Amino acid sequence: SAVISQKPSRDICQRGTSLTIQCQVDSQVTMMFWYRQQPGQSLTLIATANQGSEATYESGFVIDKFPISRPNLTFSTLTVSNMSPEDSSIYLCSVVVESNQPQHFGDGTRLSIL
Amino acid sequence: KQEVTQIPAALSVPEGENLVLNCSFTDSAIYNLQWFRQDPGKGLTSLLLIQSSQREQTSGRLNASLDKSSGRSTLYIAASQPGDSATYLCAVWGSNYKLTFGKGTLLTVNP
Repeated sequence: SAVISQKPSRDICQRGTSLTIQCQVDSQVTMMFWYRQQPGQSLTLIATANQGSEATYESGFVIDKFPISRPNLTFSTLTVSNMSPEDSSIYLCSVVVESNQPQHFGDGTRLSIL
Repeated sequence: KQEVTQIPAALSVPEGENLVLNCSFTDSAIYNLQWFRQDPGKGLTSLLLIQSSQREQTSGRLNASLDKSSGRSTLYIAASQPGDSATYLCAVWGSNYKLTFGKGTLLTVNP
C-alpha cells in the first residue's frame, strides 16, 4: 500500500480567495485522482491528475475552477479557485499503486468558505 | 452512466449481531469493486477489493461478495462490535481506474 499525506487537513477561507491542497505519496504511483465530498453526499471524481500533462476533468468540473498539477509520480496539487460557500466540501486525493490492487485515499482536506 | 445504490442508508444493531450491507450497480461492465469505511471527520479506509473475476473476498470478520451479472455486492460483518460503527461505502471501478461511489450505509453498533 501507499502512505498518503494531504495538506492542509482543514481550512476556513474567505469568499473569492483560492486555496491549494497538496497530496504527497511515499512511493511512485501509477495514477492519482482528486475527489470531492459535499456535505451529506458521497464522493464525486473531479479529475485524473496526469504526470507531466494537463489533468483530465470529469463532466461539471473545469480547469479554471480546479487547476491541478502533477509534476512527478509522487506529488499532486489541487487548487480551488475563486471560492464560494458552495465549495465547502472535503477534498480527497486517491492513488493507484498497481492495477488490481486497492485504491488508497488521503485523509482529506475539510474546506469551509465563509 | 454508472449508478451505485446502497441499502440501507442507516442501520443500528446491538453488539454481537451479524449484519449485511447491500450495494447495487447499474452497469455490470465493471473492473473491480471496493468496499471502504469512513469514520467521522476522517478519510477512507480500504476494507476489501473484489476483482471482476472473483466471487468473494474475506478479511477477518468481513466477507464481501460480488455478482456482476445481477449488479450486486454484499458486505457481511460477523459479530459486530462498537468499533465497527462508521459509514461503509461501496465503489465500483470503471475504465481508467475511476471510482463511482454509493452514498453509503451509516452503521451504528450499540454496546
